[in-house]
Amino acid sequence: TQLLEQSPQFLSIQEGENLTVYCNSSSVFSSLQWYRQEPGEGPVLLVTVVTGGEVKKLKRLTFQFGDARKDSSLHITAAQPGDTGLYLCAGGNQDHSGGGADGLTFGKGTHLIIQP
Amino acid sequence: DAGVTQSPTHLIKTRGQHVTLRCSPISGHKSVSWYQQVLGQGPQFIFQYYEKEERGRGNFPDRFSARQFPNYSSELNVNALLLGDSALYLCASSVGLGSSPLHFGNGTRLTVT
Repeated sequence: TQLLEQSPQFLSIQEGENLTVYCNSSSVFSSLQWYRQEPGEGPVLLVTVVTGGEVKKLKRLTFQFGDARKDSSLHITAAQPGDTGLYLCAGGNQDHSGGGADGLTFGKGTHLIIQP
Repeated sequence: DAGVTQSPTHLIKTRGQHVTLRCSPISGHKSVSWYQQVLGQGPQFIFQYYEKEERGRGNFPDRFSARQFPNYSSELNVNALLLGDSALYLCASSVGLGSSPLHFGNGTRLTVT
């Protein structure tokens, strides 16, 4: 069984600070996706990384896929209250999308609160 | 364009009962996946359907079943409900298999008492 561990589980910081959250596994994934989920809503895809060592930027968010494709990190610069939410990483074993026959394996998430 | 729609949004059932949850994918999307999200956990894969055929199944008991209709909408059925089935059930659609990102609905919150 493949597992994804996310850390920290909870993080509360002040507006303007930087932060990094981590997603680690002992297994190799074909792709790694990051989602943000707000209360009462479904997860919304932020990014997909597929190549070991790949770095993608989305405004103030920087995503990195580990060289061995077993881990990933999300770095937020100058956090804003609008960044508040549950950040989920998900690994796929086939192609780049829904994970194929095995679906996506999700971590438990990092609950992020940005205080104004 | 409408996103993925799920119904009902909330549901309360008693142990032993059965439940049917419904999902309408984004127009043009042919694949639907179902995930269960227990409070404090990440979503867990239940099923994936594409062109009305089951393409993947997660580690869930046979009490869980699903189907996809010709219009690509889908139903998730759960029989003999247990307290542990209480969760947010998420439906996600994608254009197809391959490099198609998932678009999630807002889920159905099922409470089993």
